[in-house]
Amino acid sequence: AQSVTQPDIHITVSEGASLELRCNYSYGATPYLFWYVQSPGQGLQLLLKYFSGDTLVQGIKGFEAEFKRSQSSFNLRKPSVHWSDAAEYFCAVVPSGGYNKLIFGAGTRLAVHP
Amino acid sequence: GAVVSQHPSWVICKSGTSVKIECRSLDFQATTMFWYRQFPKQSLMLMATSNEGSKATYEQGVEKDKFLINHASLTLSTLTVTSAHPEDSSFYICSAAKTRGGYTDTQYFGPGTRLTVL
Repeated sequence: AQSVTQPDIHITVSEGASLELRCNYSYGATPYLFWYVQSPGQGLQLLLKYFSGDTLVQGIKGFEAEFKRSQSSFNLRKPSVHWSDAAEYFCAVVPSGGYNKLIFGAGTRLAVHP
Repeated sequence: GAVVSQHPSWVICKSGTSVKIECRSLDFQATTMFWYRQFPKQSLMLMATSNEGSKATYEQGVEKDKFLINHASLTLSTLTVTSAHPEDSSFYICSAAKTRGGYTDTQYFGPGTRLTVL
């Protein structure tokens, strides 16, 4: 079945440490790929997106993500985490062939220790 | 750019009453708007997709007579929860997108509306 998987429900890192949040998708063709962040009680903010081209995508707030077709993955990374990065992170895809709906992963909750 | 607002941000109502939530794209024209529902500590579930000037398309399992959606202009969509019940209490989030070359572009999300039905 078509799906978006975020294997890690909850991740805790120390401030200043590096971060990688995993995302895998199961679609026949390369979908459009997104990462969103949601702070408590708020809507979603777009961090970055991949449609085509360079597989390493730079986003806001120092985040980047790499699309790996062979692994059907779009992992989000940040070299040095700040306490303000604590939030819920959602990977989302738009299946290729048009734009009908955004399919979200279950989300990864990031906690940052001082 | 690409700012989406929602009003109200928080609403409490009595069971059996109706509640209207507005979603506005402030600095762009949104040909398509989406409504999502989010339960605590869970992901977003798409409820419906609305295109300006046409009827909304509802996802399977979503009651269209209970969740009325109107997309009357390129900057405004409304969601009306009719005869609300406590199980309708949730966080409702809208998003707006432009159409580019026949395909809908990136969705930009509103801050959400927390509905509590007593």
